[in-house]
Amino acid sequence: AQSVAQPEDQVNVAEGNPLTVKCTYSVSGNPYLFWYVQYPNRGLQFLLKYITGDNLVKGSYGFEAEFNKSQTSFHLKKPSALVSDSALYFCAVRDNRWSNTGKLIFGQGTTLQVKP
Amino acid sequence: DGGITQSPKYLFRKEGQNVTLSCEQNLNHDAMYWYRQDPGQGLRLIYYSQIVNDFQKGDIAEGYSVSREKKESFPLTVTSAQKNPTAFYLCASSPEGANEKLFFGSGTQLSVL
Repeated sequence: AQSVAQPEDQVNVAEGNPLTVKCTYSVSGNPYLFWYVQYPNRGLQFLLKYITGDNLVKGSYGFEAEFNKSQTSFHLKKPSALVSDSALYFCAVRDNRWSNTGKLIFGQGTTLQVKP
Repeated sequence: DGGITQSPKYLFRKEGQNVTLSCEQNLNHDAMYWYRQDPGQGLRLIYYSQIVNDFQKGDIAEGYSVSREKKESFPLTVTSAQKNPTAFYLCASSPEGANEKLFFGSGTQLSVL
């Protein structure tokens, strides 16, 4: 079965420290992976995606993610966290049962709390 | 100002009532989606449309219906058959293609009176 797991419901980090939000996936075929961020009572905003190429993907607001095929992981990282990064983060993978579409399978989300 | 507009922001449903959530986009995107968000469960796909006058059921389509008469519009009706409709509903759109990102609206919070 195709799935995405975000093992941490919440991640707490101090401002200025590096942050990591974890994501692992299970999908048949090549994985197309995405990270989105959601602020309270708002829709999701795209951060970055991995389709092919370099394993380290750079995205919006200083975020990056590392694709690791052997560990089937796509962890989101940022070298120095800001209080304004506090939000709900979703990892997603394209559902390969629906070829040539943008249908995604989402993880359950991880709340990032950055404290001053 | 391009984007996706969802309305209303808050909606209340009485028992036995059908309600319709609006989703309009001016991004000229072919594909549109409806997702349901419940706390701690992530997003689950309700319906998906790749082109006008065509749509497919997602993982949790029971109790919902959609139409796609215009490229810009993809309304979702929550019918009385949906016994647990309280959730945050998100509409999204994307250009055609498997590796394109989704653009999301601001969502509609539906609650049962």
